[in-house]
Amino acid sequence: AQKVTQAQTEISVVEKEDVTLDCVYETRDTTYYLFWYKQPPSGELVFLIRRNSFDEQNEISGRYSWNFQKSTSSFNFTITASQVVDSAVYFCAITGANNLFFGTGTRLTVIP
Amino acid sequence: DTGVSQNPRHKITKRGQNVTFRCDPISEHNRLYWYRQTLGQGPEFLTYFQNEAQLEKSRLLSDRFSAERPKGSFSTLEIQRTEQGDSAMYLCASSLTVAGANQPQHFGDGTRLSIL
Repeated sequence: AQKVTQAQTEISVVEKEDVTLDCVYETRDTTYYLFWYKQPPSGELVFLIRRNSFDEQNEISGRYSWNFQKSTSSFNFTITASQVVDSAVYFCAITGANNLFFGTGTRLTVIP
Repeated sequence: DTGVSQNPRHKITKRGQNVTFRCDPISEHNRLYWYRQTLGQGPEFLTYFQNEAQLEKSRLLSDRFSAERPKGSFSTLEIQRTEQGDSAMYLCASSLTVAGANQPQHFGDGTRLSIL
């Protein structure tokens, strides 16, 4: 069965610092997708990125970047120059047959 | 473009009562999912529909829970004889799945259920 581990329960950084959120996954599937979602205090899960298991290229989108390393089963997420609006709980997830398996999330607090 | 809509946003009820939640997915999405999220945890899969067919149920979905998607559009999730342990956020998501490709699921704001 799929499993996602987000070992960092809570992280606090001062505004403008960079921060990396770790995600380690387990799966027996040869083809799978990995995701990151953001959950602000309002509660809605906001889709950030989807990564196919065959595509190990790192991706950058503005202040966000993702590092996918199949060799270590990791899919880490870095926020550069953090802002107060980045404060939220961030979830990493992996596809099952027809659904998503989520980690327990990392609560990021950006202090002004 | 409207996203996934859920109502009510909050529901407070006494133990033993029945509750029903509604989810309106993104209009062109053929798949609809229900998840449950408890405090400090990630969402856990409950069930999903492809069009009007309920194709998978998790073991978390006890026989007190029933979900429907009668016309392949909106869905309802009913919990009968609610228990304290049912207190959680119930999240609905939808996606457009073509030829088995896992497109991203888009989530609603959720319905927070509190059992007194």
